[in-house]
Amino acid sequence: NTVMTQSPTSMFISVGDRVTMNCKASQNVGTNVDWYQQKTGQSPKLLIYGASNRYTGVPDRFTGSGSGTDFTLTISNMQAEDLAVYYCLQYNYNHTFGAGTKLELK
Amino acid sequence: QIQLVQSGPELKKPGESLKISCKASGYTFTDYAMQWVKQAPGKGLQYMGWINTQTGKPTYADDFKERFVFSLETSASTAYLQINNLKNEDTATYFCWNNYFDYWGQGVMVTVSS
Repeated sequence: NTVMTQSPTSMFISVGDRVTMNCKASQNVGTNVDWYQQKTGQSPKLLIYGASNRYTGVPDRFTGSGSGTDFTLTISNMQAEDLAVYYCLQYNYNHTFGAGTKLELK
Repeated sequence: QIQLVQSGPELKKPGESLKISCKASGYTFTDYAMQWVKQAPGKGLQYMGWINTQTGKPTYADDFKERFVFSLETSASTAYLQINNLKNEDTATYFCWNNYFDYWGQGVMVTVSS
């Protein structure tokens, strides 16, 4: 099974911050990684597909990068509405979610 | 518009079974697979597997190969998740998910408690 290790587990941030979170795959998954945002009490929403492609309607402050085993999601100019848990998902070998990175206000 | 509407919350006792539904609308049901995802209270997302809506063939992630059954009623554009011999650790919200369009059901909260 491919394990996706996300870091950090949580981050305390301020509006306007640049936020970077990571996801490391236990084996090479190419660019078969998506990023999802889940706000409290809601279903997840797709932000980034194929490691670096922004999904329809996603603000351009969200950027994904990486390939192979190391992936990054960056939020430039963090907004209050971005407070959520973020999950990476690999779909190169079946599907595996990371454990999530929770963004909280300082 | 595309919608996935799931059945309501469930309260069950250990050892019982349940079957939750996911009714799709706004697209041709058999054109796209249906995925299932589990989320325990306060925990992350766990991929359960998927069902081929053309053939009805299910594929289960390793942790869900026993007690879990995916099925379809294609005439009603509905997918089902059945959980047999419920355990306390099955307490969670269960989502159906069309990952082609990224449409998710609203989730079904399942509570297993004696």
